[in-house]
Amino acid sequence: KQEVTQIPAALSVPEGENLVLNCSFTDSAIYNLQWFRQDPGKGLTSLLLIQSSQREQTSGRLNASLDKSSGRSTLYIAASQPGDSATYLCAVEGGTSYGKLTFGQGTILTVHP
Amino acid sequence: EAQVTQNPRYLITVTGKKLTVTCSQNMNHEYMSWYRQDPGLGLRQIYYSMNVEVTDKGDVPEGYKVSRKEKRNFPLILESPSPNQTSLYFCASSWQRGYEQYFGPGTRLTVT
Repeated sequence: KQEVTQIPAALSVPEGENLVLNCSFTDSAIYNLQWFRQDPGKGLTSLLLIQSSQREQTSGRLNASLDKSSGRSTLYIAASQPGDSATYLCAVEGGTSYGKLTFGQGTILTVHP
Repeated sequence: EAQVTQNPRYLITVTGKKLTVTCSQNMNHEYMSWYRQDPGLGLRQIYYSMNVEVTDKGDVPEGYKVSRKEKRNFPLILESPSPNQTSLYFCASSWQRGYEQYFGPGTRLTVT
């Protein structure tokens, strides 16, 4: 059974710092990995999708990498801003389960001015 | 605007009173699914649908029903809600397997 772990569970940083959020998964037979952002009381917003054949994806200040063989992904946020404060969720789509995302518990990020 | 909508957003009900949470997407997506989010347990899939008239169970289907009669709609039905179904529910959709998934705003359900 696929398990997804995110470290750290919470992170508080001053504005302007570059930071890294980590995600690990136990079964490397994944179809893709997706990073989401969740704001309090709101739904999930997709940030980046990495297919299993890809090594990384970039969108603005965000960069996500994938090392499928070691079961790891990182989300790099450059020059953090208070508006980046949210819960960040990592989810993997399994190779044998059609469309089902297995989520990590999330990293709660606080960026203070 | 491309989006997934859910209704209602908030619902308080009593044990045993049948309810339906609607989900609709305007992106012509083939794939739709339902998740519930609980503290300490994260997000878990309830049911999913690969296409019209095709549905299957996720990890926690007990106590729920779904139907997919039209491509755009995927309602979640609780025939006899119980307090352990108190949760935050999300509907999601994507073009098909392997594509980016889009989530609705969530429905917070309380069963007393």
